[in-house]
Amino acid sequence: GESVGLHLPTLSVQEGDNSIINCAYSNSASDYFIWYKQESGKGPQFIIDIRSNMDKRQGQRVTVLLNKTVKHLSLQIAATQPGDSAVYFCAEIPAPDNAGNMLTFGGGTRLMVKP
Amino acid sequence: EAGVAQSPRYKIIEKRQSVAFWCNPISGHATLYWYQQILGQGPKLLIQFQNNGVVDDSQLPKDRFSAERLKGVDSTLKIQPAKLEDSAVYLCASSRGLAGVQGNEQFFGPGTRLTVL
Repeated sequence: GESVGLHLPTLSVQEGDNSIINCAYSNSASDYFIWYKQESGKGPQFIIDIRSNMDKRQGQRVTVLLNKTVKHLSLQIAATQPGDSAVYFCAEIPAPDNAGNMLTFGGGTRLMVKP
Repeated sequence: EAGVAQSPRYKIIEKRQSVAFWCNPISGHATLYWYQQILGQGPKLLIQFQNNGVVDDSQLPKDRFSAERLKGVDSTLKIQPAKLEDSAVYLCASSRGLAGVQGNEQFFGPGTRLTVL
């Protein structure tokens, strides 16, 4: 079935460097995308979202890029800090007229920040 | 603002036993979700409530799982009888309204880690 997936299961970066976490999605009807951060022993935490009518959205130190042509989503973290170490999930929701607006998560990428 | 509360945090049972999880969403949040997260995977939605009504339970194994939100506030998820493959973290989340609308972000609780022996 159609699903959301990630290219890299583990990403290791040096503190201060920029991080890029990638996600491929296969449901062309997906309308809304969200990035979540999950630290050990905690529930996922909302980071940033983007709707399909946009190709870029910026937050504090984070930027989400959406390429609908190749169905690719990325999360960029500027000046990565040790506190950014976590598992990052992308999630998608189909077009709003789908019943329930179910959120479908991908498999996650673990980000490890080296001091 | 208090977050989503869940209890217990950990539960160990033997297969074929029953177990129940409790969730208290953020005050005023109309939508409540239960997810199952198997180790190393992303959360999978089991059931979604809007107030006290079920919006979607298409991925809930109804032969053994049940959930209710009788007064439209807190909710319980039950597994009866449990199987080995039910070992996972069960996450509860809530939002002001249905997902997909900016401003209706889901806030997750810490989860209940279930181990079935």
